[in-house]
Amino acid sequence: DQQVKQNSPSLSVQEGRISILNCDYTNSMFDYFLWYKKYPAEGPTFLISISSIKDKNEDGRFTVFLNKSAKHLSLHIVPSQPGDSAVYFCAASISRGGSEKLVFGKGTKLTVNP
Amino acid sequence: SQTIHQWPATLVQPVGSPLSLECTVEGTSNPNLYWYRQAAGRGLQLLFYSIGIDQISSEVPQNLSASRPQDRQFILSSKKLLLSDSGFYLCAWSVRRGKSNQPQHFGDGTRLSIL
Repeated sequence: DQQVKQNSPSLSVQEGRISILNCDYTNSMFDYFLWYKKYPAEGPTFLISISSIKDKNEDGRFTVFLNKSAKHLSLHIVPSQPGDSAVYFCAASISRGGSEKLVFGKGTKLTVNP
Repeated sequence: SQTIHQWPATLVQPVGSPLSLECTVEGTSNPNLYWYRQAAGRGLQLLFYSIGIDQISSEVPQNLSASRPQDRQFILSSKKLLLSDSGFYLCAWSVRRGKSNQPQHFGDGTRLSIL
């Protein structure tokens, strides 16, 4: 059973426009959500996170929105740049005992065209 | 600043051979440590996590094991590799601060191919 789902395997956007990456989850116990960016042959790099007590968190060009009732979160990148082209992973965790185990989606490959 | 090192970057091993992948973290103490695997076409799957020396929790049954002989060293091992062990193995660390949420930070991974 896949608890974190990224239903779009790929997304193509024009440079300067908005990129919207979506993620759905099924476990209502998740209380911490993260987005990671991954280039080929490298490990994932942490981008931005949000706690379940918030519905929005912004960091520069990146904004994450959380809709708890819909069990949905999204990552907005504005404006998109060619260097943003990568695979983006959504992840979620249940905070307990300090281990913060992450459950990942399968990723969405973003291509930003010049 | 904190850094995480993982080696080797790539590894080709025959079926039935042993495995040892090593991960070390610098610039922090008493971190949480994690081993993940990404099989082809799948997301990252947590294999092991550790909240301290010799404290290892296993998430999925398999023929892999993990050890943490030192505070900032995490080792992934197998006595006899299977074809299904092929994949991309990632080590990660996070700050351990009670109940507060902390992101995990990943190494660059090891691409393991079993022949």
